[in-house]
Amino acid sequence: GNSVTQMEGPVTLSEEAFLTINCTYTATGYPSLFWYVQYPGEGLQLLLKATKADDKGSNKGFEATYRKETTSFHLEKGSVQVSDSAVYFCALSDRAGGTSYGKLTFGQGTILTVHP
Amino acid sequence: NAGVTQTPKFRVLKTGQSMTLLCAQDMNHEYMYWYRQDPGMGLRLIHYSVGEGTTAKGEVPDGYNVSRLKKQNFLLGLESAAPSQTSVYFCASRAAGVGTDTQYFGPGTRLTVL
Repeated sequence: GNSVTQMEGPVTLSEEAFLTINCTYTATGYPSLFWYVQYPGEGLQLLLKATKADDKGSNKGFEATYRKETTSFHLEKGSVQVSDSAVYFCALSDRAGGTSYGKLTFGQGTILTVHP
Repeated sequence: NAGVTQTPKFRVLKTGQSMTLLCAQDMNHEYMYWYRQDPGMGLRLIHYSVGEGTTAKGEVPDGYNVSRLKKQNFLLGLESAAPSQTSVYFCASRAAGVGTDTQYFGPGTRLTVL
């Protein structure tokens, strides 16, 4: 079955530091890959996504590249802000054209805290 | 557009009580999902629906039932709550078809079973 593994957290950084959150996956076929973010007390929001190998998703200064050869989708940001403090989830979805109906498989989440 | 809404936001139950969580979406999405979020485990799929009148089991369906009588609503029921069902529950929806693979999430319901 599908699975997603994220780096162990929590992660604590100072403002303007470089951020990497590792994500690797196991899946059959060619899944779509996502990063969702959950701010305190809120639901999940899509941060970025990539649908095929070598695609780079980007949003709000965050980037992740779909690496099929290493089955990875690591999240990076060059300079984090206090407002980036949240929980970050890596997820994958099988192609909607099959019988999986786009169900998401999530990693366990990584708590990021950014200090001033 | 309100997007995806969930009712209630918080609930405390005693073991053995029943309750229903309501999810509503105004985006005319075909697919809807119920997840539970537990510390260190990410989100796990409970049940999902691919259209009005259809439901299917996800990864952790035991102890839950669902119904999708109207396209915009997806109900999650607990017939006899257990402490192991203490969790935060999220509903999500998405459009059908290739190229529409983003799920939109509600704000969550925090359920405590004593």
